[in-house]
Amino acid sequence: KAGVTQTPRYLIKTRGQQVTLSCSPISGHRSVSWYQQTPGQGLQFLFEYFSETQRNKGNFPGRFSGRQFSNSRSEMNVSTLELGDSALYLCASSTTPQETQYFGPGTRLLVL
Amino acid sequence: GQNIDQPTEMTATEGAIVQINCTYQTSGFNGLFWYQQHAGEAPTFLSYNVLDGLEEKGRFSSFLSRSKGYSYLLLKELQMKDSASYLCAVLPGAGSYQLTFGKGTKLSVIP
Repeated sequence: KAGVTQTPRYLIKTRGQQVTLSCSPISGHRSVSWYQQTPGQGLQFLFEYFSETQRNKGNFPGRFSGRQFSNSRSEMNVSTLELGDSALYLCASSTTPQETQYFGPGTRLLVL
Repeated sequence: GQNIDQPTEMTATEGAIVQINCTYQTSGFNGLFWYQQHAGEAPTFLSYNVLDGLEEKGRFSSFLSRSKGYSYLLLKELQMKDSASYLCAVLPGAGSYQLTFGKGTKLSVIP
């Protein structure tokens, strides 16, 4: 069974731009969660989707948004990028929200 | 709020045993996970505990005490490839499925 895939793997943007990241979960997994990882803060929860509904949102500004499609694929969007948004963005999927989450390889975003 | 503490760094010798501790204070509890993350890579799942006691999986074991808000990951017969960060994460209860991570313990295995 294929694992979680994320595209793109690397991205360079400038301040003020916006970016969209994509995540395809493991086949049969309906829950997708997004995390931001930085050296100083570690892994921080962004949001969680299940059956196309956002059920939990972390403590991030409204510039961070996401959605989930009927095939469980998910996208997250960051608008008006800031230097501090430079991070590794990880997506994880699970069969249901309370089951074990499996991570994708991440998208490394650099904001200049 | 949620608070998860684990040591920042640890060093151990190849072939030895190391124990990585994790203490947590969360609003509710619905399970504790351990992940391994090599530098530049995604976290990979190691173990899951929801009931008190020890779960053994090959060279890795994980222990949980819910009354003490405490868990540890035990790595036996350490190998150089075990050098990585180990992340403790708690799934709170009460309908929240927001997995909360500690900042990770960077383990260095030396010859």
